[in-house]
Formats: sequence, structure tokens, C-alpha cells
Amino acid sequence: KAGVTQTPRYLIKTRGQQVTLSCSPISGHRSVSWYQQTPGQGLQFLFEYFSETQRNKGNFPGRFSGRQFSNSRSEMNVSTLELGDSALYLCASSFQPRDNYGYTFGSGTRLTVV
Amino acid sequence: QQQVKQSPQSLIVQKGGIPIINCAYENTAFDYFPWYQQFPGKGPALLIAIRPDVSEKKEGRFTISFNKSAKQFSLHIMDSQPGDSATYFCAASGRGAGSYQLTFGKGTKLSVIP
Repeated sequence: KAGVTQTPRYLIKTRGQQVTLSCSPISGHRSVSWYQQTPGQGLQFLFEYFSETQRNKGNFPGRFSGRQFSNSRSEMNVSTLELGDSALYLCASSFQPRDNYGYTFGSGTRLTVV
Repeated sequence: QQQVKQSPQSLIVQKGGIPIINCAYENTAFDYFPWYQQFPGKGPALLIAIRPDVSEKKEGRFTISFNKSAKQFSLHIMDSQPGDSATYFCAASGRGAGSYQLTFGKGTKLSVIP
């Protein structure tokens, strides 16, 4: 059974640019959550999507946005990139929101902003 | 602000030793406490989890001890092996956090020396 797939694995962008990251959940999983991981702040929740609707949002600026498609695949977008946006962006999927035991993370997208 | 405080930041033990990682939380609405293991270049993987109605849970060499009154929980790794060298995160979630949103500790980097 395929796991959570995140693409691309690595990205290098310049300050001021925008970036789109993709996440394909495990087959049958309909809930997708995004996290930002940095050495200083650790893992921080960005947002959660279920049935193409944003269910919850973390404490991040509006430059961070996301969406979910009808096949449950999700994308997140960061506009006007800043150096501090350099991080590992992780996606996790589950059958539905609050599905504690099915929560599975992908390997992440490593974003470097220069 | 919902927080989960984790200690120590790093830990070095010899093979066969019993590393212990501690976490403390503030929000009494948390009702699910998982531990994740993360290897370099990979996303976090669920190791073991506990709910506050039990004081201890064991799965293989991994044991969670939970103290509800003190709002603390810890991970013990019995007979640690070099392959256990990884970063460990405690986390918590619950109804008070809204939808299924994990709040993570800052992580503990464990090194098991042969």
C-alpha cells in the first residue's frame, strides 16, 4: 500500500517568489493536514482539509494557503517567500478528521529560500 | 497557548541502556498522547500512543508512562539499539484543540552508541 506522497522532495526558491507543494494521501484517506518543521520552532500545524474544505488553520500568515481536490490530493502555496520560510513541509493523511490511529506522515518537501 | 514541553533536547546512551524522554502538557482537554520517531530525511512515524484513562502502555521495547494528575508522560526504550538512534517527538491532541491538530514537543535527538 502506497504511503503519503509529497512532491517535490527538494526545492530552492528566491525571496519574493511563490511556491506550490503537493501531497497525495494514502488511498482512501480523505483528510490531509500540513505541518511546518524547523529546527527552532519544531513541528507546527498549518492547516487541515477534509472534503475539499479547510477545517482548521494554525497561526501562520495569510501568505500560507492550501486547497484540496475532489480526489483528496492537496496542495499548499506560499507566496512572497521569506528566508524564514525555509523548512521541511510535512503532509499527513487520515481517513477522516480526528482519526488518531490512521494519521500517517509523508517524507516532506525540503524548501530552501535564498 | 497550548504547549507540550519535552526534555531533554538530546540524549546519548550506550547500547542496552534505557533512555527516558519526558513531556509535560498544559491543556487538560488533551485526550490523546502519541509519540513519533523520525529518521533523517523521513517524516515522523507513529511509535506508540496512550489515552489518559491508562497509566502505562507497552509495545515491544517501547513503554509510555502517563501521570494525569501531574500532566506528564514519558517514553522509555528498553534494551536500546543503535537502530533506535533518531529524533523522538511527543505530541498531544484533543477536543479542546478543535479538529485533529497535533501539538508537538520540540523533539529529543537520541543517539545509541554501540
